[in-house]
Amino acid sequence: GAVVSQHPSRVICKSGTSVKIECRSLDFQATTMFWYRQFPKQSLMLMATSNEGSKATYEQGVEKDKFLINHASLTLSTLTVTSAHPEDSSFYICSANWGSEQFFGPGTRLTVL
Amino acid sequence: GQQVMQIPQYQHVQEGEDFTTYCNSSTTLSNIQWYKQRPGGHPVFLIQLVKSGEVKKQKRLTFQFGEAKKNSSLHITATQTTDVGTYFCAASNDYKLSFGAGTTVTVRA
Repeated sequence: GAVVSQHPSRVICKSGTSVKIECRSLDFQATTMFWYRQFPKQSLMLMATSNEGSKATYEQGVEKDKFLINHASLTLSTLTVTSAHPEDSSFYICSANWGSEQFFGPGTRLTVL
Repeated sequence: GQQVMQIPQYQHVQEGEDFTTYCNSSTTLSNIQWYKQRPGGHPVFLIQLVKSGEVKKQKRLTFQFGEAKKNSSLHITATQTTDVGTYFCAASNDYKLSFGAGTTVTVRA
C-alpha cells in the first residue's frame, strides 16, 4: 500500500508561536491531500482539502488565516498553525488517496502551553 | 459533509465473544468505509462498501451495507486482544471523509 509520512510526530510550543506540520506521500503523487483534527476521545474532523498548485478548501468553521495550508508539490503539503493557543492542542492527521483507498499519516500531536 | 451516526460509543467484550458496531445516516450514501485506529495510532483503512446490500468478509470481520445504503455494520466474531482499538465508519464524498463517532473496543482476557 501507499505510505504517507508526517513530521514532526510531536511538538510542544508556547502560546502565540507558529507551528508547521509536513505531510508527504512517499511512494506516490497526491494532487489532493486532506487535513484532519482529532481531539482526545473524539472522532476525526476534516479541516481542509489541500490542492496542489491552488488554494486549499476549508471546511465550515475552520479559519483559513489561522491554519495555513500550502501544497507546493505533488508529494508535500504543509499545515501551519499560526499564533497557536492551548485550544489548538490536538492530534493533526493528514491523508491522501491512492486509488479508492485513503492513506493516513501517523499524525502530529500538538501541545500548546 | 454527510452526517454519520455510530453506536455504541464503547464496547467492552469478553475475549472469544462477538460484537457489532452500527453506522447510520439520514441520507443515502454513495459508499461507506471502515477504519481501525489503535490507541495512539492513526486510522487504517479496512474496507469500502459500495453496493446496496453488499456483504464483505475479512477473516473474523464481516461488513454489511444496508439495502437502502443508509446504514452499515461491522461484526467481529471470536474477539481477540488484537481487536482492541476504535472502529470508525466514514462516508466518502469526493474522497472527503465524514467520520462517525467511533466505537472504542476493549477486551477482557
